[in-house]
Amino acid sequence: KAGVTQTPRYLIKTRGQQVTLSCSPISGHRSVSWYQQTPGQGLQFLFEYFSETQRNKGNFPGRFSGRQFSNSRSEMNVSTLELGDSALYLCASSLEPSGITDTQYFGPGTRLTVL
Amino acid sequence: KNQVEQSPQSLIILEGKNCTLQCNYTVSPFSNLRWYKQDTGRGPVSLTIMTFSENTKSNGRYTATLDADTKQSSLHITASQLSDSASYICVVNNSGGYQKVTFGTGTKLQVIP
Repeated sequence: KAGVTQTPRYLIKTRGQQVTLSCSPISGHRSVSWYQQTPGQGLQFLFEYFSETQRNKGNFPGRFSGRQFSNSRSEMNVSTLELGDSALYLCASSLEPSGITDTQYFGPGTRLTVL
Repeated sequence: KNQVEQSPQSLIILEGKNCTLQCNYTVSPFSNLRWYKQDTGRGPVSLTIMTFSENTKSNGRYTATLDADTKQSSLHITASQLSDSASYICVVNNSGGYQKVTFGTGTKLQVIP
């Protein structure tokens, strides 16, 4: 069974641009969560989607948005990029919403660098 | 504010030795606590998940404990191996409110021969 895949793996953008990251969950998983990881802040929760609906949202500005499609694939969009958005963006999938005792499986991440 | 604190920040141990990592949290209301292992440059991998009623759970050489009264958890690694070198992250989910997932900053473990 294929794991969680994220594309692209690496991305370089400049300030003010926007970016879209993609995540394909493990087959059969309906929950997809997004996280930002930086050396200074560690891992921070962005949002979670379950069956195409946003269930939870972390404390990030509205420039960060996401969506989930009917096949459970998810995209995350960041508009008007800032230098501080440089980070590893991780996606995780699970059968049930992450608040329930269900194992989350993480993808390898997308490394975003904003110049 | 929900917080998860881990200690130590970093740790170096000799191969074959045991070690214990700590996690203290103030997340409320509590839903579950997870320990993850993250190798450099890779996504985290789940080690254990514990709910309020569980006070110990093992996964091979990894044993996690949970004291829901004192809001503390520990991850004990037995007979460490070089491949255990990684960051170990404690994550606590709360069952209500907006911020549902709180991550610790991790403990960076290095196992040396």
